[in-house]
Amino acid sequence: QQQVKQSPQSLIVQKGGISIINCAYENTAFDYFPWYQQFPGKGPALLIAIRPDVSEKKEGRFTISFNKSAKQFSLHIMDSQPGDSATYFCAASRRGATNKLIFGTGTLLAVQP
Amino acid sequence: EAGVTQFPSHSVIEKGQTVTLRCDPISGHDNLYWYRRVMGKEIKFLLHFVKESKQDESGMPNNRFLAERTGGTYSTLKVQPAELEDSGVYFCASSQERVTGELFFGEGSRLTVL
Repeated sequence: QQQVKQSPQSLIVQKGGISIINCAYENTAFDYFPWYQQFPGKGPALLIAIRPDVSEKKEGRFTISFNKSAKQFSLHIMDSQPGDSATYFCAASRRGATNKLIFGTGTLLAVQP
Repeated sequence: EAGVTQFPSHSVIEKGQTVTLRCDPISGHDNLYWYRRVMGKEIKFLLHFVKESKQDESGMPNNRFLAERTGGTYSTLKVQPAELEDSGVYFCASSQERVTGELFFGEGSRLTVL
């Protein structure tokens, strides 16, 4: 079964708007939650990551919100730009196996000018 | 500094044929990973090398898949014989440490089995 569930599958946002992508997990042994960004023809690249000891992490226009009790985490992209158009993957991994990532199915984001 | 490079970028083969994918990690990265994305689905872990040793191959689908990393540098992933369900994008990634959390991915090798 899918260990990390991601939604929505696709998202269209107007330039300047807020993009929100959600992920949920079941395994309480997960302790690392990264988001990867993938442009067409390129490989995924680490965008931002969080560990469960904090509820929020912000880097520029990108923010991860983490809800440990609900086993959910989300990516917020503020002031979305056409250059943010890409596929976004959430992921999770266990302590001691941080790079053995379990990915969500991806969200294709299109930011319209 | 060169990133992770993969070859070929796209391969189209007939069912039953053999294909070998190659990955050159970032120089100095002891940890090398193979992942696969079947169309529309999640990216799935296949295996992990530390230098030339297989650390974890729990994600390998079956014995038609063989991964090697001779000398601890580049790695190959051979599929023999290929089946239709093997179609997808095969990603290689590398990292300097096992637990830093940042994987550097290549652009992927798209495999199409007809």
